Amino acid sequence: QKEVEQNSGPLSVPEGAIASLNCTYSDRGSQSFFWYRQYSGKSPELIMSIYSNGDKEDGRFTAQLNKASQYVSLLIRDSQPSDSATYLCAVTVGKRGGAGNKLTFGGGTRVLVKP
Amino acid sequence: EPEVTQTPSHQVTQMGQEVILRCVPISNHLYFYWYRQILGQKVEFLVSFYNNEISEKSEIFDDQFSVERPDGSNFTLKIRSTKLEDSAMYFCASSEALLPDTQYFGPGTRLTVL
Repeated sequence: QKEVEQNSGPLSVPEGAIASLNCTYSDRGSQSFFWYRQYSGKSPELIMSIYSNGDKEDGRFTAQLNKASQYVSLLIRDSQPSDSATYLCAVTVGKRGGAGNKLTFGGGTRVLVKP
Repeated sequence: EPEVTQTPSHQVTQMGQEVILRCVPISNHLYFYWYRQILGQKVEFLVSFYNNEISEKSEIFDDQFSVERPDGSNFTLKIRSTKLEDSAMYFCASSEALLPDTQYFGPGTRLTVL
């Protein structure tokens, strides 16, 4: 069973602080890594994608990937109350000759940003 | 900005009834997916669809489920005889390519089976 694991939280951070979220995955064939944000009762909304080792920054968000350790993280700088949501880590495994790459999701980390 | 749309937003049905959930993927996307999320649980993959055929399906996607792309824009999920445990949020997603394989999600349909 290929798994994606996240700490369920809640991760409570004060407004303006950095929120650090972690995710581990079990399939070494994973090729693409995503962070989605999900508000209660809503659909997953893409925040970041990362495909190679290292850091990728987009505004207040930074994704970090370490394939050797099978670890991907998300940093949220200058956290705002509107960042309060569940953050989902998801991975795909590329298949030779495949036609469509399913996402395998972690259970999500709930983040609470307190004013 | 292009987006995935889904209808209806909420569907209530009686156990044993058939339901059809509808999705309009982003227009230039080629790969289509259905996922579901039971309340309080993970988002789970159901099926992927490319070039008018199923490319992969999960164990959840049994004979009660089917998908169809009846025309150039719609993508549907049919549940033939609903069960109580089919109650969940159903999300459609689409992607433009295999790499990058970024998937964009629709707003979801909440299915309630009574």
